[in-house]
Amino acid sequence: QQKVQQSPESLSVPEGGMASLNCTSSDRNFQYFWWYRQHSGEGPKALMSIFSDGDKKEGRFTAHLNKASLHVSLHIRDSQPSDSALYFCAATSSSGSWQLIFGSGTQLTVMP
Amino acid sequence: EAAVTQSPRNKVAVTGGKVTLSCNQTNNHNNMYWYRQDTGHGLRLIHYSYGAGSTEKGDIPDGYKASRPSQENFSLILELATPSQTSVYFCASGPGLGVETLYFGSGTRLTVL
Repeated sequence: QQKVQQSPESLSVPEGGMASLNCTSSDRNFQYFWWYRQHSGEGPKALMSIFSDGDKKEGRFTAHLNKASLHVSLHIRDSQPSDSALYFCAATSSSGSWQLIFGSGTQLTVMP
Repeated sequence: EAAVTQSPRNKVAVTGGKVTLSCNQTNNHNNMYWYRQDTGHGLRLIHYSYGAGSTEKGDIPDGYKASRPSQENFSLILELATPSQTSVYFCASGPGLGVETLYFGSGTRLTVL
């Protein structure tokens, strides 16, 4: 079982709509989370990080972390066609080597 | 923004051949990483390095070697390439401060025939 699991695998939303992506860790040592975004033909790029319980907002993007349930989500409001990409959740632990472990990704399509 | 450059962009190799993928970063980051990306698996860590001369095994190191001859350069070596190693490979760098953001290159698409 992957240590970082994402859902859904794919998601389609209309332009201007809200996209919600989910991520759950199976390892209670994972306390630090990132969202990375990958456009087709490019490498992943860090979108935002969240280390504390609650919400973190950056423009149209809001991440939410619940450490007790090891659940993190990403909400994109007013979705744009340029938001169409593969979104990865990634996590790391303060114990061990600080390796970043990635989920399998959610493919987001924003329809004009 | 951090600059990570990978070469080649595309590579076709034959089974049993030797393949070297190269990565260069210009941001003086201590840590460098090699990941492979496959549909349904996301990004999986192959090898990583804490600095020149150091290499460490990641989650899927079998069939791969790594070399970090300098702060800037990190190579991934497939001594005997197999079709199962057909994938997209990404190099990344990070400042090495514990909890860190990684900066990725644009990837190398490797096809082993």
